[in-house]
Amino acid sequence: SQQGEEDPQALSIQEGENATMNCSYKTSINNLQWYRQNSGRGLVHLILIRSNEREKHSGRLRVTLDTSKKSSSLLITASRAADTASYFCATAPQGGKLIFGQGTELSVKP
Amino acid sequence: DAGVIQSPRHEVTEMGQEVTLRCKPISGHDYLFWYRQTMMRGLELLIYFNNNVPIDDSGMPEDRFSAKMPNASFSTLKIQPSEPRDSAVYFCASSNRDRENTEAFFGQGTRLTVV
Repeated sequence: SQQGEEDPQALSIQEGENATMNCSYKTSINNLQWYRQNSGRGLVHLILIRSNEREKHSGRLRVTLDTSKKSSSLLITASRAADTASYFCATAPQGGKLIFGQGTELSVKP
Repeated sequence: DAGVIQSPRHEVTEMGQEVTLRCKPISGHDYLFWYRQTMMRGLELLIYFNNNVPIDDSGMPEDRFSAKMPNASFSTLKIQPSEPRDSAVYFCASSNRDRENTEAFFGQGTRLTVV
């Protein structure tokens, strides 16, 4: 079964708006990661947040983590058409295993 | 480094044939993962290795699937015999856990079509 579940499954916004994607997971984690996948390509790592961190920023990305609720959110501010992609959260529940959610498909319209 | 290299990029084969997918991880990485991606099931972890040793193969769907890592720079995923439902994009990824909490680097994937 999937460890992470993203919400929403699909999101369509206008350029310049903010995009928020959520991820819920089931077991305790060491860290939670967000990845991006452009159509027909492999996944690319965006940002990692450790279990003892609550918020992290990287450029236009902001990630929050609530371990009590087993949830995380990814905020992309001032979105651009080039941000159109699928976004996945991934958790490392035990050892070296890395489990991905189903992803959120983001469409940013110019 | 050229990143994770997978071959072939595309594979079309007939049902019943043997298929071998190949992966070259990033040099120095000690973890290697094989994933399968479909519209219906998303991104599934099939198996992963640590220092060339298979750690967890619980995601391998059937005995028709097998994976090997004979050395630190090469891994294969074999399907024998292949079936149409094996059609998917197969990704290989590697990571370096010598440093705590590092990310996985993905190859471009192999798109497999079994007809």
